[in-house]
Amino acid sequence: NAGVTQTPKFRVLKTGQSMTLLCAQDMNHEYMYWYRQDPGMGLRLIHYSVGEGTTAKGEVPDGYNVSRLKKQNFLLGLESAAPSQTSVYFCASSPPRDRDSYGYTFGSGTRLTVV
Amino acid sequence: AQSVTQPDIHITVSEGASLELRCNYSYGATPYLFWYVQSPGQGLQLLLKYFSGDTLVQGIKGFEAEFKRSQSSFNLRKPSVHWSDAAEYFCAVGALYGNKLVFGAGTILRVKS
Repeated sequence: NAGVTQTPKFRVLKTGQSMTLLCAQDMNHEYMYWYRQDPGMGLRLIHYSVGEGTTAKGEVPDGYNVSRLKKQNFLLGLESAAPSQTSVYFCASSPPRDRDSYGYTFGSGTRLTVV
Repeated sequence: AQSVTQPDIHITVSEGASLELRCNYSYGATPYLFWYVQSPGQGLQLLLKYFSGDTLVQGIKGFEAEFKRSQSSFNLRKPSVHWSDAAEYFCAVGALYGNKLVFGAGTILRVKS
């Protein structure tokens, strides 16, 4: 069982370039999330989705866009990368409104460096 | 707004010694509390969670946590630490119907032999 798969695992971008991070889950989860992790700051929510075709802003959405065209996929886009977006990006998914199974399943992360 | 504070950025313990990692939260409603562990270069793995009921919850890898409403705390404990427990630990708070978790800044655990 794959769980949550993120691609790519590593990427180096030049300032101003664009890229898309892909997150795929095979657990039929309704909710999906993108977080960024920076030293000493924990994980901060960028965008999230509560279902296919829906997205919403999190705590730090500026400079990012997302799409959820299919239930199993959640894409994070950087239109014009900046050095401040150097970070480790984590995707997560969770089932809806079920306290027994509530909790995120995380991908293994994408390490992005913007030079 | 909900928030999580993990007061200790780094903790070093000897192998075999007991461990307590602190977590304090701020939340307006009944909190749902979680502890996650992250090994270097890996994603986050759920250790345990608390929704209601018994305030002492057991998790994987021999960890437990105690919810204390009066202190707004959810501290993680382990009676005897193993070298493989060296990792970063995150406390998180959320609401079931909001389904968004807020994470603390993390505590890095080092285990010395």
